[in-house]
Amino acid sequence: DAGVTQSPTHLIKTRGQQVTLRCSPISGHKSVSWYQQVLGQGPQFIFQYYEKEERGRGNFPDRFSARQFPNYSSELNVNALLLGDSALYLCASSFGQGAHNEQFFGPGTRLTVL
Amino acid sequence: AQSVTQLGSHVSVSEGALVLLRCNYSSSVPPYLFWYVQYPNQGLQLLLKYTSAATLVKGINGFEAEFKKSETSFHLTKPSAHMSDAAEYFCAVSDNRGYSTLTFGKGTMLLVSP
Repeated sequence: DAGVTQSPTHLIKTRGQQVTLRCSPISGHKSVSWYQQVLGQGPQFIFQYYEKEERGRGNFPDRFSARQFPNYSSELNVNALLLGDSALYLCASSFGQGAHNEQFFGPGTRLTVL
Repeated sequence: AQSVTQLGSHVSVSEGALVLLRCNYSSSVPPYLFWYVQYPNQGLQLLLKYTSAATLVKGINGFEAEFKKSETSFHLTKPSAHMSDAAEYFCAVSDNRGYSTLTFGKGTMLLVSP
């Protein structure tokens, strides 16, 4: 079975630009979460979506937005990119939204902002 | 608010030696606790999780962890290190609310020498 997939794998943008990252969950999983992992740090929670509705939001500015589609895939958008947005963006999927559900992580998208 | 502290950004062991990676958590409610491993340029893989059942949890690849409420700890151990265990390890906490937000520690890099 295919795991969580993310695209693109790498991305280079300049300050002020906008970026869209994509995630396809494991088949049958209805919850998708997004995390930002800055070099040398642990992942930090950005959003969780379940059944196409936002169910949780981390401490990130409004420049960050996301959505979930009817097929449960998801997009993360970041506007007005800053140098500090350079990070590995991880997507995780789980069957349900509760904490006891195991989250399966994708390989991530490496975003570099110049 | 919940938080995780991982003592030691780097831990070095010899092949065959005991592995001990430390994790202390803070949570206002009974937590769910997780250990993840991250190999270079890959996403996170779940090693094991504690969800209020047995306090000694066995995971994959010979790892185990013990939940100690009195010490607010969830240390990860393996009796005998293997070269393939060299990776970064993250401890994470989630409260048992409706959704599955994970709060991660900063990670511990495990180095295994021959």
